[in-house]
Amino acid sequence: GESVGLHLPTLSVQEGDNSIINCAYSNSASDYFIWYKQESGKGPQFIIDIRSNMDKRQGQRVTVLLNKTVKHLSLQIAATQPGDSAVYFCAETFSGGYNKLIFGAGTRLAVHP
Amino acid sequence: SAVISQKPSRDICQRGTSLTIQCQVDSQVTMMFWYRQQPGQSLTLIATANQGSEATYESGFVIDKFPISRPNLTFSTLTVSNMSPEDSSIYLCSVPKEGMNTEAFFGQGTRLTVV
Repeated sequence: GESVGLHLPTLSVQEGDNSIINCAYSNSASDYFIWYKQESGKGPQFIIDIRSNMDKRQGQRVTVLLNKTVKHLSLQIAATQPGDSAVYFCAETFSGGYNKLIFGAGTRLAVHP
Repeated sequence: SAVISQKPSRDICQRGTSLTIQCQVDSQVTMMFWYRQQPGQSLTLIATANQGSEATYESGFVIDKFPISRPNLTFSTLTVSNMSPEDSSIYLCSVPKEGMNTEAFFGQGTRLTVV
């Protein structure tokens, strides 16, 4: 929807550059940290997750880094493409949470040609 | 992957009225979730829709305001009751990917504007 991302921080990058999107979390009991992508007019889509006992996980063109010391999560997108333009949300879940996702703040990624 | 259809996709409603949002999944799922996304904000979990029992609501959400039905394993409804302009949001239903803790599928959302 067009209202998604209106009041969120925006990261503007040039096509082909690498993007880094950051997220701070507060719940040390979370077992998994996840990144979701939400395009205009659509529901969020899963990108990648990382278990709390890991520091880094790589996917296709994406890498998630977890720093538990400072409670910080980041998503790195390599060679950013126009199709990557969207709002990105971090989320948490925990064992026994029955798949409940707790979403954090979002960041709007704008990719310019 | 699960295909989720929500109806309506958008609506404009008068304050004081109620709107029922439908969520249909193309496969049987144990758990369904309802989220609210206020303008320019992140998603907030409203409740878990349980088949055969009452929904489980998160802090700040109550059954009288957001009654939920779950008549079978492929369908759920969320009603937004006695609406006020503060209820203007996108409402989304979601189901987890089978066997996954972290991956979920979302409907496209219902954009509600209360005037």
